[in-house]
Amino acid sequence: QVQLQESGPGLVKPSQTLSLTCTVSGGSISSADYYWSWIRQQPGKGLEWIGYIYYSGSTSYSPSLKSRATISEDKSRNQFSLNLISVTAADTAVYYCAREPASGVTEPKWGQGTLVTVSS
Amino acid sequence: EVVLTQSPGTLSLSPGERATLSCRASQSFASRYLAWYQHKPGQAPRLLIYSTSGRATGIPDRFSGSGSGTDFTLTISRVEPEDFAVYYCQQYGISPFTFGPGTKVDIK
Repeated sequence: QVQLQESGPGLVKPSQTLSLTCTVSGGSISSADYYWSWIRQQPGKGLEWIGYIYYSGSTSYSPSLKSRATISEDKSRNQFSLNLISVTAADTAVYYCAREPASGVTEPKWGQGTLVTVSS
Repeated sequence: EVVLTQSPGTLSLSPGERATLSCRASQSFASRYLAWYQHKPGQAPRLLIYSTSGRATGIPDRFSGSGSGTDFTLTISRVEPEDFAVYYCQQYGISPFTFGPGTKVDIK
């Protein structure tokens, strides 16, 4: 049974870089069957898809975050990461990592989420 | 970008009533890439339906999904007290993946 666990600082200062890591267990991020995604929910708002990385290293991002977000992978540790530069208070959110099926025929799976607050 | 529109914005129901939630896409995509999530405050979103009509593990059969092309529906046959929450549809067939704005199901 695959599990995903987000980790990283819970507090980031404005203008700095938010860095989160998702550790995957029970499955491999080298699998061609899945996209490995980041999703967030800002306080009082809906779910926002940030982007994904695929086993090949290809990435896709939300247009609204494309200029600030970078998703990378570490296959040796079975982890993938999100870097979001130049953060503001508007980036305060619960951040989730997720596994989304490339074929569409298996269940997506999410981590429990981690709250990141942007504040001085 | 595929824009998902959900309606209604809020659905007020009494326990035992039927809930019908709509998700409409700005362009067609393969129906196997449509999921529905239930979200309650302080919790991670819970996957209900994937591939338009596949019920996720452990989801009761009062939840069902249908649709194709640009029109998708989540139905709760008889709303239980624990079903009052916000429901999101998501497409993951065309990059960038997108979520709808959500439908809040609240107690009448």
